[in-house]
Amino acid sequence: DAGVIQSPRHEVTEMGQEVTLRCKPISGHDYLFWYRQTMMRGLELLIYFNNNVPIDDSGMPEDRFSAKMPNASFSTLKIQPSEPRDSAVYFCASSTGTSNTEAFFGQGTRLTVV
Amino acid sequence: AQSVSQHNHHVILSEAASLELGCNYSYGGTVNLFWYVQYPGQHLQLLLKYFSGDPLVKGIKGFEAEFIKSKFSFNLRKPSVQWSDTAEYFCASRGEGGKLIFGQGTELSVKP
Repeated sequence: DAGVIQSPRHEVTEMGQEVTLRCKPISGHDYLFWYRQTMMRGLELLIYFNNNVPIDDSGMPEDRFSAKMPNASFSTLKIQPSEPRDSAVYFCASSTGTSNTEAFFGQGTRLTVV
Repeated sequence: AQSVSQHNHHVILSEAASLELGCNYSYGGTVNLFWYVQYPGQHLQLLLKYFSGDPLVKGIKGFEAEFIKSKFSFNLRKPSVQWSDTAEYFCASRGEGGKLIFGQGTELSVKP
């Protein structure tokens, strides 16, 4: 398996533009997590899905952020409109369906909003 | 509520020194604990994990961690660090609902 695949790896956009980050989890994994990493806040859980259903989105910072998982092999995180304070590295991770298993991380998307 | 706290933000050691990074968790139910490492510019990778049984867990690259239930702690240790251990280390917990959360991270700098 190629692991968790995220795209794009780097994204530079202007303030106010829509940004879409993509994630392909490991095949057979039924949990998918989105995290945001910044120097100030560390690694924050934004939202996670189980069997394509959002379970907890309490970490989503505001309504400008939305996430979907239309099928077991694809998820998106969208920011509309983007702001400079959204600049961060966004990680996607996936795992199997038991709590005593680890999550596997993608390489991340480095987002810069200017 | 589920939470994870790491004591040290930045630790600086010389090569061959011993390492101990603190981690405390808070969760009322069954908790599963992890340590991840993030090398500069890379993604997180698993070092070790604890579910049950022997509270002393051995991981990759000579790392180990001890689960102490009475102290709600899961500290990471290594007897002798190397320059290549320079990285950021994250403690994490996963609760019964599958939620996986991380501590703030500890940056380790090892001087050659």
